[in-house]
Amino acid sequence: DAGVIQSPRHEVTEMGQEVTLRCKPISGHDYLFWYRQTMMRGLELLIYFNNNVPIDDSGMPEDRFSAKMPNASFSTLKIQPSEPRDSAVYFCASSFRRQGGREQYFGPGTRLTVT
Amino acid sequence: ILNVEQSPQSLHVQEGDSTNFTCSFPSSNFYALHWYRWETAKSPEALFVMTLNGDEKKKGRISATLNTKEGYSYLYIKGSQPEDSATYLCAHNTGTASKLTFGTGTRLQVTL
Repeated sequence: DAGVIQSPRHEVTEMGQEVTLRCKPISGHDYLFWYRQTMMRGLELLIYFNNNVPIDDSGMPEDRFSAKMPNASFSTLKIQPSEPRDSAVYFCASSFRRQGGREQYFGPGTRLTVT
Repeated sequence: ILNVEQSPQSLHVQEGDSTNFTCSFPSSNFYALHWYRWETAKSPEALFVMTLNGDEKKKGRISATLNTKEGYSYLYIKGSQPEDSATYLCAHNTGTASKLTFGTGTRLQVTL
């Protein structure tokens, strides 16, 4: 398996522009997570899905952020409009339900810079 | 403990030294404790997932213990090597069993 795939790997955009980050989870995994990593706050969970349904979006910072999972193999995280403080590395991770805890498999991340 | 806390924040050891880090987490509503290894410019990789009080897990020179009653876990590295240099994250599963809350990590640097 190719692992979790994210695109783009790097994104530089101007303030006010729309940004869309993409994620393909590992085939067969039924949980998908979006994280944001910053120096100040470390790794923060933004939202997660189970069987394509959003379960907890309490970490989404503002209405400017939205996430969708139209099918089991694809998810997007959209920021509209983007702001400089959104600059961070955004990770997608997936996991498979099993007893005793579920390890998460992380993608390579998308480094977003908003100027 | 309200959040996941890790100590020390950073550590610098010589090759061959053994070392350990601490992760403290809320002891109530415990489901699982995860350890991840995160190398610079890469993504976090799972080391261990532990669920039972007293659990001990081992992978090569790295091992971890868990005390759910007092809310802490230790990660040990025996005979550190330069390739062990990374940030080690712990994360706590609450009662939802899916949502992870991460600590800020311990950055380990191993030099020759």
